[in-house]
Amino acid sequence: QKEVEQNSGPLSVPEGAIASLNCTYSDRGSQSFFWYRQYSGKSPELIMFIYSNGDKEDGRFTAQLNKASQYVSLLIRDSQPSDSATYLCAVNRQAGTALIFGKGTTLSVSS
Amino acid sequence: GAGVSQSPSNKVTEKGKDVELRCDPISGHTALYWYRQSLGQGLEFLIYFQGNSAPDKSGLPSDRFSAERTGGSVSTLTIQRTQQEDSAVYLCASSHKQSNTEAFFGQGTRLTVV
Repeated sequence: QKEVEQNSGPLSVPEGAIASLNCTYSDRGSQSFFWYRQYSGKSPELIMFIYSNGDKEDGRFTAQLNKASQYVSLLIRDSQPSDSATYLCAVNRQAGTALIFGKGTTLSVSS
Repeated sequence: GAGVSQSPSNKVTEKGKDVELRCDPISGHTALYWYRQSLGQGLEFLIYFQGNSAPDKSGLPSDRFSAERTGGSVSTLTIQRTQQEDSAVYLCASSHKQSNTEAFFGQGTRLTVV
């Protein structure tokens, strides 16, 4: 089992819809969880991080963490064509250790 | 500088040659990562430096790959006897350990082995 798994997609949603991106991880002791966005030909940039079970909201983005199920998700409300990108889930087992990425989910938002 | 700086931005090399890729992290960041991203793929972890601790080399794909970090700042990734399958974008990132928050990425080095 890979450490961090994501559905590669593509996930296609119409403009204004909610996009739901999912990620599972294998190490139950993982402590920190990150969502990065990567536009084609560009480097990844952080969207959100979450440490505690539950929801964390930032503007149109909501990260959800369920440590019992080893599952983290990212919801994008009111999706815009500019949200079209690859979304990478990353997990940090503990402070001071390497950040491990999933392969990413490609999101396409159509206008 | 303000961000993570990588050089060169592009490198074309002949199969069998050695290459060195450089990363200059954000000042004060104690953690430094190297990742490899092949076309259309995710980020493959290569190596992680954290302060003066022994680096986590568990992601290096073969003994042709090595990296060092001098003085806790600049890092060099060296690939010996390059192969065509080494062609990829090599990304460097740095972060604070204490905050355990985001890793900031450089713009990457696109390596092409011909």
